[in-house]
Amino acid sequence: AQSVTQLDSHVSVSEGTPVLLRCNYSSSYSPSLFWYVQHPNKGLQLLLKYTSAATLVKGINGFEAEFKKSETSFHLTKPSAHMSDAAEYFCVVSDADDYKLSFGAGTTVTVRA
Amino acid sequence: KAGVTQTPRYLIKTRGQQVTLSCSPISGHRSVSWYQQTPGQGLQFLFEYFSETQRNKGNFPGRFSGRQFSNSRSEMNVSTLELGDSALYLCASSSVGDTEAFFGQGTRLTVV
Repeated sequence: AQSVTQLDSHVSVSEGTPVLLRCNYSSSYSPSLFWYVQHPNKGLQLLLKYTSAATLVKGINGFEAEFKKSETSFHLTKPSAHMSDAAEYFCVVSDADDYKLSFGAGTTVTVRA
Repeated sequence: KAGVTQTPRYLIKTRGQQVTLSCSPISGHRSVSWYQQTPGQGLQFLFEYFSETQRNKGNFPGRFSGRQFSNSRSEMNVSTLELGDSALYLCASSSVGDTEAFFGQGTRLTVV
């Protein structure tokens, strides 16, 4: 069975400082991993995905994530936070042939001016 | 290319009623999945359809059902509504061989 643990329910950063959102996963097979973002009253937007190619994945809006199999982690980072990054972020795992996504509980990001 | 379209965007229903939500996937996408989002339980998988066949189902009671049509459009139905069914229902579509899912804006269901 697959599952995801997001280690922080809330992260607060100052504008222009780095952002780190932590995610650990559990999967029986070689997983596909994703980070999605959800702004208030909006649907989910894909930031980036890992599907067994390069372990360092670059996404949209300056975000990137590193897949570490030995640590079963897929942490999301951004070098410099912008006010528009304030949102909820979800780490997601999918196993091949399972036809479903398993979501973490989400991390709410607040950006201080 | 149009995105995933969900209708209606908002619904208010009374306990005991039933409701049908609709999802039109991105053109060419044949897989459609549904998720329920609540503050307490987060995002939970309901079911997934491909070529009119349900391939996986989440841990929800039988009151929750769905179907997919030959044009890949999908509907989900909830019968005998309960207050706890109040949630944002999200639909996602993906293409064959692609694990990436594209989400619609969701339908906000309120049960009173």
